[in-house]
Amino acid sequence: AQKVTQAQTEISVVEKEDVTLDCVYETRDTTYYLFWYKQPPSGELVFLIRRNSFDEQNEISGRYSWNFQKSTSSFNFTITASQVVDSAVYFCALSIAGSARQLTFGSGTQLTVLP
Amino acid sequence: KAGVTQTPRYLIKTRGQQVTLSCSPISGHRSVSWYQQTPGQGLQFLFEYFSETQRNKGNFPGRFSGRQFSNSRSEMNVSTLELGDSALYLCASSLKQGSYNEQFFGPGTRLTVL
Repeated sequence: AQKVTQAQTEISVVEKEDVTLDCVYETRDTTYYLFWYKQPPSGELVFLIRRNSFDEQNEISGRYSWNFQKSTSSFNFTITASQVVDSAVYFCALSIAGSARQLTFGSGTQLTVLP
Repeated sequence: KAGVTQTPRYLIKTRGQQVTLSCSPISGHRSVSWYQQTPGQGLQFLFEYFSETQRNKGNFPGRFSGRQFSNSRSEMNVSTLELGDSALYLCASSLKQGSYNEQFFGPGTRLTVL
């Protein structure tokens, strides 16, 4: 069975601070996919990034960056120079090959960015 | 391109009733998945449909069922509602080509069981 742990339940930062959201996963499969989704108050899950298990390259997209480390089974997400609009719940998720659309989600991290 | 649409957005039912939720995927998407989100259990996978066939199923009782139509629209049904079924039900669609495609989520249907 797969498991995703997001130990940080809530994080508050002041605008322009950098913040890192942690994600640790467990799976016995060698081929798997990792994701981050953002859920604003409206409720709709917004896709942010996907990584497959063979691609450990870190990625940067604007103010967002992701650090994937198989050695520690972690897929952390950093927001640089946070903004109030970044306030949302962020979910890390995992799926395995063969049931790629069956996502196992972490419990989410509520990020509040204060002006 | 229109996103995933879900109807109704809000629903109030009483225990013992049944409910049907609808999901229209993004045009051209053929896979539809359903998730339940509750404060206690978080986001949990219910089932996935592709080409009108259920492909995967999560760990939910048989009261939860679904189906997909030839135009890829999907419905999920919950019979004999319980208080614990109160949740946000999210639908996601994807293309299903190759090994993987991203899932795009709809705004959800918020079900309240009284």
